[in-house]
Amino acid sequence: QQQVKQSPQSLIVQKGGISIINCAYENTAFDYFPWYQQFPGKGPALLIAIRPDVSEKKEGRFTISFNKSAKQFSLHIMDSQPGDSATYFCAASMLGSGSARQLTFGSGTQLTVLP
Amino acid sequence: EPEVTQTPSHQVTQMGQEVILRCVPISNHLYFYWYRQILGQKVEFLVSFYNNEISEKSEIFDDQFSVERPDGSNFTLKIRSTKLEDSAMYFCASSRDRVDSGNTIYFGEGSWLTVV
Repeated sequence: QQQVKQSPQSLIVQKGGISIINCAYENTAFDYFPWYQQFPGKGPALLIAIRPDVSEKKEGRFTISFNKSAKQFSLHIMDSQPGDSATYFCAASMLGSGSARQLTFGSGTQLTVLP
Repeated sequence: EPEVTQTPSHQVTQMGQEVILRCVPISNHLYFYWYRQILGQKVEFLVSFYNNEISEKSEIFDDQFSVERPDGSNFTLKIRSTKLEDSAMYFCASSRDRVDSGNTIYFGEGSWLTVV
């Protein structure tokens, strides 16, 4: 129930195309859904995040779509650029027994944007 | 931009040895974390630390692991009696407040541990 399932494992997109990465979760106690971008040799960096009280959030070329009833959320990268080539992780968190939150990550999507 | 710094960037150790991974979180942050990523796999939560004590820990974080904030700036992860399966990238992270809307968690660049 703590799992977050992410697909596809890898994605190749032409420059200017739309990249779509999907995630699904089971635990309805999750209430915060961030996406992280990771370049080789670097730590994950927050890209964009959403809470379940909204169905969509857009920041520049990045959009999260959230479907609460289906327990799914997705990342859309519009006008994909070669510099977007990285590994993308979805994550989910809920307030636990302690005062901090832990992030549960998806398995990651290796995005390659061809020039 | 402030960043989380980790040392060493890469450590090779023999099975059974003890390892200490060090982190300097962002200075005004109050929550500290360790995550790990086995090669090619997802990032996994190990432990969170707040107010000088462990806040939450995962099943991975057993008696082999311990964390400490020995002074006002460092945050360490100690792995006793390392095993081959401990080989992974270990990420330290910190956040100003709880990780949810408006409170970003910042990750360091990681310490790559290889157990031989």
